Amino acid sequence: NAGVTQTPKFRVLKTGQSMTLLCAQDMNHEYMYWYRQDPGMGLRLIHYSVGEGTTAKGEVPDGYNVSRLKKQNFLLGLESAAPSQTSVYFCASSYSAVRMRETQYFGPGTRLLVL
Amino acid sequence: GDSVTQMEGPVTLSEEAFLTINCTYTATGYPSLFWYVQYPGEGLQLLLKATKADDKGSNKGFEATYRKETTSFHLEKGSVQVSDSAVYFCALRRDKGGADGLTFGKGTHLIIQP
Repeated sequence: NAGVTQTPKFRVLKTGQSMTLLCAQDMNHEYMYWYRQDPGMGLRLIHYSVGEGTTAKGEVPDGYNVSRLKKQNFLLGLESAAPSQTSVYFCASSYSAVRMRETQYFGPGTRLLVL
Repeated sequence: GDSVTQMEGPVTLSEEAFLTINCTYTATGYPSLFWYVQYPGEGLQLLLKATKADDKGSNKGFEATYRKETTSFHLEKGSVQVSDSAVYFCALRRDKGGADGLTFGKGTHLIIQP
């Protein structure tokens, strides 16, 4: 099992450009999450999904969109990148069963620099 | 809202020293509590967890006890190794009946010197 994988590992964007980050998991997890990690801020939840075709906003959703067309994939989109979106982005997934959903499995992260 | 406060780092210790990383939380109800660890260049991994008051989570020599009276979940290890150098995150999850994500502290960078 590859677990949770993220593509790309690193990307540089110019202000106003768009891009999509891909997260894939092979553990048949129902729930998936996108977090951003900033220095001195810990991780903050951007969006999450409880299943194929469903998404919901987290703590810091502005400037991002997501889609979950397939159970194993969760895409994070930036329509018009801003320097404030420079961050490390982590995807995570978990089972839906009440006690199993508490353990989240994280990908290795995508480092994004917006100039 | 929910919040997690953990001690600022970096924390620098010598090998075989005793480790404590403090964590306190604010949340309504009875959250589940976690410690995640992030090794350089990697994603976060669950280190241990506790789901109710007085529970003790343990893994790889690390321990933490869920103290509701002090709203704390301090991480301890009796004898640290160089390989324990990493960033440690305390986190909570309040069961709202849905899939809401975790609330994380800011992280504590631990450096173990040989």
